[in-house]
Amino acid sequence: TQLLEQSPQFLSIQEGENLTVYCNSSSVFSSLQWYRQEPGEGPVLLVTVVTGGEVKKLKRLTFQFGDARKDSSLHITAAQPGDTGLYLCAGPFNSGGSNYKLTFGKGTLLTVNP
Amino acid sequence: KAGVTQTPRYLIKTRGQQVTLSCSPISGHRSVSWYQQTPGQGLQFLFEYFSETQRNKGNFPGRFSGRQFSNSRSEMNVSTLELGDSALYLCASSLGWGGAQYFGPGTRLLVL
Repeated sequence: TQLLEQSPQFLSIQEGENLTVYCNSSSVFSSLQWYRQEPGEGPVLLVTVVTGGEVKKLKRLTFQFGDARKDSSLHITAAQPGDTGLYLCAGPFNSGGSNYKLTFGKGTLLTVNP
Repeated sequence: KAGVTQTPRYLIKTRGQQVTLSCSPISGHRSVSWYQQTPGQGLQFLFEYFSETQRNKGNFPGRFSGRQFSNSRSEMNVSTLELGDSALYLCASSLGWGGAQYFGPGTRLLVL
């Protein structure tokens, strides 16, 4: 069972379009992180959201953390080919006792066509 | 500041062999985490080391082990390789647990 479900799994759009990708869970997270991974590279952190209802903006990217801290969304305005990549959400999860793991969703693979 | 480096970048092994991967974190980062990334399962947490001690562990068999040295460099070892161990192995460093993870480029392991 995936703790963090991301949707859609794949998204192919034209340059200039807007899009939203989602990260959902039935569990409460103290914080969620968003990463972007390009082919042949490791993921790069985009943002961390920590407060329920929080909205953070990073140029054309807007991140929102749900009020109940169970979900998050990433909205991209006027997508550009440079936005192409795998978008991953991640959050710390207590897997028992004092053992925590950073759990990732499977990601949304975004392709922005020129 | 130099980023996280991983060696080797590519590796081909056969079933039953063992492999050791190396990770050098960003200077000043004491936490090093390892992840396995596959198309089917995505990114999965293996373990995290902090000040030479394994602090957190994922759900992987004992064939997967690691260690961290006093200079924060870390190694991951996989013994008795199986075909299913073929994956991209990523190392990430951070100042502390839960903080921003800075990933290396990964080691792509192919088990034949």
